[in-house]
Amino acid sequence: EAGVTQSPTHLIKTRGQQATLRCSPISGHTSVYWYQQALGLGLQFLLWYDEGEERNRGNFPPRFSGRQFPNYSSELNVNALELEDSALYLCASSLPSAGPWGYTFGSGTRLTVV
Amino acid sequence: RKEVEQDPGPFNVPEGATVAFNCTYSNSASQSFFWYRQDCRKEPKLLMSVYSSGNEDGRFTAQLNRASQYISLLIRDSKLSDSATYLCVVVPRAGNMLTFGGGTRLMVKP
Repeated sequence: EAGVTQSPTHLIKTRGQQATLRCSPISGHTSVYWYQQALGLGLQFLLWYDEGEERNRGNFPPRFSGRQFPNYSSELNVNALELEDSALYLCASSLPSAGPWGYTFGSGTRLTVV
Repeated sequence: RKEVEQDPGPFNVPEGATVAFNCTYSNSASQSFFWYRQDCRKEPKLLMSVYSSGNEDGRFTAQLNRASQYISLLIRDSKLSDSATYLCVVVPRAGNMLTFGGGTRLMVKP
């Protein structure tokens, strides 16, 4: 069974640009979660999508947005990039019924803003 | 105050040692508790769930104290391969989002 896949693995952008990160969940998983792991700040919850709807959002500015497609894959968009957006962005998927026990993380996209 | 607090370490221990990590959480309504393991520059992976009755998985024992809002992880007979960052994770009563502690780094030396 294929795991959670994220692309690209690395991304370098200039301050002020936009970044788009992609995530494909495990087959059958309808929930996708996005987390940010910035240096020194630990993993922080960004967004939760399920069945195409945004279910919850972490304490991040509106320039962090995303969507979930009918095939349950997801995109995270970061607009007006700032240097402090440099981080590892992790996507996880689960079945909603599995709750937090059913999380599987992808290997992440490392975003560097210069 | 952070929602989930851990001593960042590093804990440097010799092979075969027993090491214990602690974690405190601030939201008394938290529902579920976990320990995750994260290797350098890799994704976190579930190590074990944590229950009030305590649970053991081989060399690993986890314990939850709801009254003190305290979670522990004990590793016996440390192996070189146990070197990693251990993340304490708490889940609020409503929702599936994970709240991570900052992690405790363990380095097991020969």
